[in-house]
Amino acid sequence: GQQLNQSPQSMFIQEGEDVSMNCTSSSIFNTWLWYKQDPGEGPVLLIALYKAGELTSNGRLTAQFGITRKDSFLNISASIPSDVGIYFCAGSPVREGQNFVFGPGTRLSVLP
Amino acid sequence: GAVVSQHPSRVICKSGTSVKIECRSLDFQATTMFWYRQFPKQSLMLMATSNEGSKATYEQGVEKDKFLINHASLTLSTLTVTSAHPEDSSFYICSGGRGLNEKLFFGSGTQLSVL
Repeated sequence: GQQLNQSPQSMFIQEGEDVSMNCTSSSIFNTWLWYKQDPGEGPVLLIALYKAGELTSNGRLTAQFGITRKDSFLNISASIPSDVGIYFCAGSPVREGQNFVFGPGTRLSVLP
Repeated sequence: GAVVSQHPSRVICKSGTSVKIECRSLDFQATTMFWYRQFPKQSLMLMATSNEGSKATYEQGVEKDKFLINHASLTLSTLTVTSAHPEDSSFYICSGGRGLNEKLFFGSGTQLSVL
């Protein structure tokens, strides 16, 4: 079935640093979603992308829908302690009727 | 964004009992809702797709008689863990969207602990 890879699996950064993570697939996707999950909570939608090449921002977060439609990246600028969590990407495959596929997540730790 | 309400947030039960988890879409109608299971420090594992008015579709390896799903209305789906055992202890999360391939909104999750 469809699979998404997320890179890196985990990262430790200093507060104030910028963060970049990506999501890749061997298949083409129609929609990309980025979520953040805090411990003991459900994932919260950060950004939704619908068109190849689309670049969308949400505060300090910026995400892009790759031109090839097989990848997406998420950037966080000037990280703060509350950015800690797991970031999931999700893609909607091109084939009609297929549900969203989720990546394994990138675990972000922010050091003060 | 849309709101999905999930209850209870935490449940502790004895082995052999059944536990029901509710997932409600508060401000939209969800023809389809999804149920996931998540182990500590791992990703979301899709268990089943809940379809309003019809039978749920279960992922490979998920026992449909163990995890009963009911989607009686466009705003409510329930997951019942029947005869729960310690190995069923996990974090269960639901999600729903307004339509096929529409963005998904998640409930806050239910931490199930079976003693």
